[in-house]
Amino acid sequence: GAVVSQHPSWVICKSGTSVKIECRSLDFQATTMFWYRQFPKQSLMLMATSNEGSKATYEQGVEKDKFLINHASLTLSTLTVTSAHPEDSSFYICSAPVPPGEGYGYTFGSGTRLTVV
Amino acid sequence: QKEVEQNSGPLSVPEGAIASLNCTYSDRGSQSFFWYRQYSGKSPELIMSIYSNGDKEDGRFTAQLNKASQYVSLLIRDSQPSDSATYLCAVNSGYGGSQGNLIFGKGTKLSVKP
Repeated sequence: GAVVSQHPSWVICKSGTSVKIECRSLDFQATTMFWYRQFPKQSLMLMATSNEGSKATYEQGVEKDKFLINHASLTLSTLTVTSAHPEDSSFYICSAPVPPGEGYGYTFGSGTRLTVV
Repeated sequence: QKEVEQNSGPLSVPEGAIASLNCTYSDRGSQSFFWYRQYSGKSPELIMSIYSNGDKEDGRFTAQLNKASQYVSLLIRDSQPSDSATYLCAVNSGYGGSQGNLIFGKGTKLSVKP
């Protein structure tokens, strides 16, 4: 089935540094990738939608210059948290629609726990 | 603003009982609905999807959809301690078969006591 591989699983970084999170579709081409963020004891909130070959669409309140999304190929979408601060500490999850031939639904990456110290 | 509402719980049931989880959604035009289970620190995993009014059964799980009432539920029969997790209700934001992003409820924490 459609699998999205997300790396790293967890990362600790110093305040002010940048962190890149990668999501790769292993056995299908992901033209769209959704990026969600989940704070402790809260639900998943959509941050942005990336489409291969075009600019990402960001949700209201999400700083596009801080959360850089690149979807340069059909199998790789990346989220870079620039100048990270402790308030960016969260669980980041990518998700892609399952290809039509494999049913209807969504596949999720395993998530990245970001801790900014 | 499309919204999905869930009772955050916690919901505690004894082992072997039926757990009933409920969800309402605000957009009457929504067409596809999902229940996910999420263990602490893990990514959501799909339990059930439902698109038509009525019931859909898969093993110990039954999803129920009532579009007139904008209500989705999940029943877990013969609950097991391993079912203890947070259950997320999600609605596809797209229309007409298009797969937009999912809009998630806040989740209901289920605890199954041995």
